[in-house]
Amino acid sequence: EVQLLESGGGLVQPGGSLRLSCAASGFTFSSFAMSWVRQAPEKGLEWVSAITSGGGATYYADSVKGRFTISRDNSENTLYLQMNSLRAEDTAVYYCARGPSSWDVWGQGTTVTVSS
Amino acid sequence: EIVLTQSPATLSLSPGERATLSCRASQSVSSYLAWYQQKPGQAPRLLIYDASNRATGIPARFSGSGSGTDFTLTISSLEPEDLAVYYCQQRSNWPRTFGGGTKVEIK
Repeated sequence: EVQLLESGGGLVQPGGSLRLSCAASGFTFSSFAMSWVRQAPEKGLEWVSAITSGGGATYYADSVKGRFTISRDNSENTLYLQMNSLRAEDTAVYYCARGPSSWDVWGQGTTVTVSS
Repeated sequence: EIVLTQSPATLSLSPGERATLSCRASQSVSSYLAWYQQKPGQAPRLLIYDASNRATGIPARFSGSGSGTDFTLTISSLEPEDLAVYYCQQRSNWPRTFGGGTKVEIK
């Protein structure tokens, strides 16, 4: 079964850091570009970041550029999102999704809350 | 950044009725438009990619059309389980962007 499982969310103070992980199974992870998409409470979807299958190219939304870093470990079938200098407006459910541009497989999401 | 505007914001229809959802782009996205369904408490699900191609396992009552700046998602005969928010999304340009969503309510 094709599956994505996020972890690493939690409560963090403004200015703090958090690293999200996404464990992939059921498909050849190293063959697919991957993305992070987030959804603030009661709001719509926002694309955050994408990475190519080999990790050689990365893309970011302007709202997170310079603060977030996407990476992957193809030997461990895992996608990461390092989030630094977190702000209240980063509070959201973070989904990892398969693909660079249209996403056919999604995880269940992990919740990040930025609050003092 | 390409802005996607969805209308209406809310659509309330009875089972068996036809639902027509609209998505308009601020500039041409060619056919690089997808539609997602998000049911309450769930992750989004890909319905349509590249404007008119149904994703794997999506029922035939869902169809997409359009190109350039104007797109439509049609649900030919609403089922109670179609209660959800529907989002369009473009992959023509970076950053990838979503529309604000259309909420489909079942009467």
